[in-house]
Amino acid sequence: KQEVTQIPAALSVPEGENLVLNCSFTDSAIYNLQWFRQDPGKGLTSLLLIQSSQREQTSGRLNASLDKSSGRSTLYIAASQPGDSATYLCVLILTGGGNKLTFGTGTQLKVEL
Amino acid sequence: EAQVTQNPRYLITVTGKKLTVTCSQNMNHEYMSWYRQDPGLGLRQIYYSMNVEVTDKGDVPEGYKVSRKEKRNFPLILESPSPNQTSLYFCASMPYAGSSGRPPSSYNSPLHFGNGTRLTVT
Repeated sequence: KQEVTQIPAALSVPEGENLVLNCSFTDSAIYNLQWFRQDPGKGLTSLLLIQSSQREQTSGRLNASLDKSSGRSTLYIAASQPGDSATYLCVLILTGGGNKLTFGTGTQLKVEL
Repeated sequence: EAQVTQNPRYLITVTGKKLTVTCSQNMNHEYMSWYRQDPGLGLRQIYYSMNVEVTDKGDVPEGYKVSRKEKRNFPLILESPSPNQTSLYFCASMPYAGSSGRPPSSYNSPLHFGNGTRLTVT
């Protein structure tokens, strides 16, 4: 069974820092990996999608990488801002038929002034 | 705009009073799914549907029903709500990957979530 762990579970940084969020998975048979952010009590907003044939994707200050051989994806946030404070989730879409999804455990980020 | 729309956003009800949470998507996605999110437990799948008239149980289906009579709609029904169903609910949709596990070539942003429904059962 695919297990997805996000480390750290919580992170507090001062504004302006560059930071890395990690998503580790046990089974490399994934098709896509998608990063989301969730504000408290709100919905999930898609940030970046990496298809299994890709190594990384970039959007503004965000960069996500995927290394299937090591079972790891990272989300890099440059020059963090208080508005980046949220919970970040990685979601794996698995191969093997159908639409199997596995959710990461989440990283709660707080960016302080 | 591509979106998944859930209604209502907030709902307070009493034990035993039947309710329905609606979910609609405008992307012609085959796959739709319901999740509940509780503190410390993350997102757990309730039911999912691969296409019209095709539904199946997720990890926590007890106390819930769904229907998929049209491709765009996937309502979640609580026939007799109980306080342990107090939670934040999300609907999601994506294209169907098919039995081969290989999504269509237009698989650019597969997974979309609704904005959530905060349900309180007293």
